[in-house]
Amino acid sequence: GNSVTQMEGPVTLSEEAFLTINCTYTATGYPSLFWYVQYPGEGLQLLLKATKADDKGSNKGFEATYRKETTSFHLEKGSVQVSDSAVYFCALKRGQAGTALIFGKGTTLSVSS
Amino acid sequence: GAGVSQSPSNKVTEKGKDVELRCDPISGHTALYWYRQSLGQGLEFLIYFQGNSAPDKSGLPSDRFSAERTGGSVSTLTIQRTQQEDSAVYLCASSLASTGGEGTEAFFGQGTRLTVV
Repeated sequence: GNSVTQMEGPVTLSEEAFLTINCTYTATGYPSLFWYVQYPGEGLQLLLKATKADDKGSNKGFEATYRKETTSFHLEKGSVQVSDSAVYFCALKRGQAGTALIFGKGTTLSVSS
Repeated sequence: GAGVSQSPSNKVTEKGKDVELRCDPISGHTALYWYRQSLGQGLEFLIYFQGNSAPDKSGLPSDRFSAERTGGSVSTLTIQRTQQEDSAVYLCASSLASTGGEGTEAFFGQGTRLTVV
């Protein structure tokens, strides 16, 4: 079946450190891939997405590249800020009608000044 | 409406009672999802609607859980004979299209925090 595996957290970094949150997936065909973010006390919101192999999604300094050969969509940011502290969810959706959006378990990021 | 609206925002109920949670998706969004978020458990998929039908309800944890969607719009998630393990935040999301590609971004509501005492 379809599934998403994320690195377990929490991830604790100092401000301006480099961030990587690993995400790998299992799916048939060519799914679309997403990163969602949930800031403290707020709802889930889309951070970035990629809809085909080798696409790079980017937003707010975050990037993730759709790697079909390694079935991965790792999230990276060159210099994190305290305001990036949140829970990050990797997700996939197969390009087929009648399929749901499947999420990983989430990774908590805590950035200190 | 401007976003996905869920009600109530908080619900405290006694064990054994039935509860109904409501989701009002973004107008025109054909796909609607329900998820459950428990502390430390991530986002658990419950059910997915495309229009009024549910092609995937594989995530419903037991027959105490059911959901319906009418008029391709509002959805209700019903939990019968609630148990303490049902306590969680129930999230609803909607999206414009069901297939992969540009339209599949899901927009989430703020959730309903259910506490069973």
